[in-house]
Amino acid sequence: RKEVEQDPGPFNVPEGATVAFNCTYSNSASQSFFWYRQDCRKEPKLLMSVYSSGNEDGRFTAQLNRASQYISLLIRDSKLSDSATYLCVVLNYNQGGKLIFGQGTELSVKP
Amino acid sequence: NAGVTQTPKFQVLKTGQSMTLQCAQDMNHEYMSWYRQDPGMGLRLIHYSVGAGITDQGEVPNGYNVSRSTTEDFPLRLLSAAPSQTSVYFCASSYGPGQGSGEQYFGPGTRLTVT
Repeated sequence: RKEVEQDPGPFNVPEGATVAFNCTYSNSASQSFFWYRQDCRKEPKLLMSVYSSGNEDGRFTAQLNRASQYISLLIRDSKLSDSATYLCVVLNYNQGGKLIFGQGTELSVKP
Repeated sequence: NAGVTQTPKFQVLKTGQSMTLQCAQDMNHEYMSWYRQDPGMGLRLIHYSVGAGITDQGEVPNGYNVSRSTTEDFPLRLLSAAPSQTSVYFCASSYGPGQGSGEQYFGPGTRLTVT
């Protein structure tokens, strides 16, 4: 079983749609959680950190459920520019500060 | 700040050749890592370092060596290139525990083809 698993993609949605990505992690000692965005053939960039209380940044909302070891990302009012691959990422400093990446979920927003 | 820089951007090697991928950061980050990304596989950790003089293996270390003689630089050496090492390589850096959010900053990547 992979340490971090994401919904398989791709997700194809029309502009304006709401889309949700799900992610589970297997190591209950994981300490920090992130969503990264990766555009085609570019480096990953941090989209947002995920906090236990849930957090929102504009059209993006991230949730963390430590009991279920589950992370989610909700994108409201999708834009064409949201088309990218979204990576769920888990950090455990007890493992030398390694980031563990999910395989990514591709999102394509169509006009 | 330049952030994380990687050279070269593209490289073609023949099987059996060796080379070093360069990575440097100017943010005084303690942690540095090398990943490879293959289609459908996500990013996999090759080697990482938690400070100058300290390195450790990640998920897929075979065929690669690293060293960390300074805080700024973390080169990745391919000892004897194989076609299975054809991939995109990303270097990343971050602060250590308690000094930041844990966010890693990535370089632009090196696209390596081994024929």
